[in-house]
Amino acid sequence: ETGVTQSPTHLIKTRGQQVTLRCSSQSGHNTVSWYQQALGQGPQFIFQYYREEENGRGNFPPRFSGLQFPNYSSELNVNALELDDSALYLCASSLDGLAGLPSAYEQYFGPGTRLTVT
Amino acid sequence: AQSVTQLDSQVPVFEEAPVELRCNYSSSVSVYLFWYVQYPNQGLQLLLKYLSGSTLVKGINGFEAEFNKSQTSFHLRKPSVHISDTAEYFCAVKDGGGSYIPTFGRGTSLIVHP
Repeated sequence: ETGVTQSPTHLIKTRGQQVTLRCSSQSGHNTVSWYQQALGQGPQFIFQYYREEENGRGNFPPRFSGLQFPNYSSELNVNALELDDSALYLCASSLDGLAGLPSAYEQYFGPGTRLTVT
Repeated sequence: AQSVTQLDSQVPVFEEAPVELRCNYSSSVSVYLFWYVQYPNQGLQLLLKYLSGSTLVKGINGFEAEFNKSQTSFHLRKPSVHISDTAEYFCAVKDGGGSYIPTFGRGTSLIVHP
């Protein structure tokens, strides 16, 4: 059973550019959540995808967007990068992103992508 | 909106000593509660969770936590820590119902000294 993987590990971008981060979910999981973790802070929920549909969104502007593919892997896209977007971006996979199912609360995190915006 | 307070940003402790990491959340009718651990340069790993039932929850690596509804707390404890427990610990809360949108605390750095 493979765990959650993310690519790339590190990334340096310039303000105003666009970036795409990738995540492969754990085998058998159909739900992917993305989080932003700024230095010295806890993770902040960006959004969740369940079976290719957005299933919930945190307080992030529309320039943060995502996709989930039929194999349940996922992408996080950020347009018009700002300096404050510098953070560790975490992907977490789980089974059944629906309210009330205990399996939805077992989230398995990847190691993250460290994004630096200069 | 839910908020989570981890009262200590850093907790130094000697090896084999007991430890308690504190977590308080804002009041809600029903909540789901979680503790995660993050080792350097790694993602988060779920230590334990409270969804319902017994208020004393046992997790991995010898950790346990107690849900106290009247004090809106979910403190994490371990009776005897090891050097390998040195890591960042995060408390997270989700309101009952709705899709999974958790709120995380800012984290507590546990530093175990030999």
